[in-house]
Amino acid sequence: AQSVAQPEDQVNVAEGNPLTVKCTYSVSGNPYLFWYVQYPNRGLQFLLKYITGDNLVKGSYGFEAEFNKSQTSFHLKKPSALVSDSALYFCAVRDVNTDKLIFGTGTRLQVFP
Amino acid sequence: EAGVAQSPRYKIIEKRQSVAFWCNPISGHATLYWYQQILGQGPKLLIQFQNNGVVDDSQLPKDRFSAERLKGVDSTLKIQPAKLEDSAVYLCASSSGTGRRETQYFGPGTRLLVL
Repeated sequence: AQSVAQPEDQVNVAEGNPLTVKCTYSVSGNPYLFWYVQYPNRGLQFLLKYITGDNLVKGSYGFEAEFNKSQTSFHLKKPSALVSDSALYFCAVRDVNTDKLIFGTGTRLQVFP
Repeated sequence: EAGVAQSPRYKIIEKRQSVAFWCNPISGHATLYWYQQILGQGPKLLIQFQNNGVVDDSQLPKDRFSAERLKGVDSTLKIQPAKLEDSAVYLCASSSGTGRRETQYFGPGTRLLVL
């Protein structure tokens, strides 16, 4: 079965420092990977996706993600964190058999001033 | 472009009562999804519509949940009767198609508390 894992429940980083939110995937075939962000009392907002092509994908709000096939990872990154980046981040993978979007359990990012 | 709209934003009911949620997708989006997000978990798909037809409802508890999209635009999700374990955020999403490359866009969700 296709799945994604987000090994960290919470990531803490100081404002201005680089941030990384980790995601690993398990997929048979080519993976279609997505990152979403959820602010308090809001729905999920799309950040970026990897379909094919360049391993470094750029998305909204200065975020980017690096697809690494050998490590089956799709980590979300940002060079300089903002306090306003504090939110819940979800990695997701498209199930190759059903086309359903399978979400990870989420990682809470806390950026301290 | 307007996003996915949902109402109500919050609902508190007692167990065994019924409740309905409404969703209006992004204009022109043929595919509509309802997800359930329990606290501390990622969203889980309940049902997927393509226009006004059901594509996938394998995870919908059909003894108590129902959903419709009669005119291929708006959709309603109903729970009758509600149980305590139905307390969750119900998210509606839409996409222009059903291919693997398609991005799903989510509404703000309806937070349901069943007492």
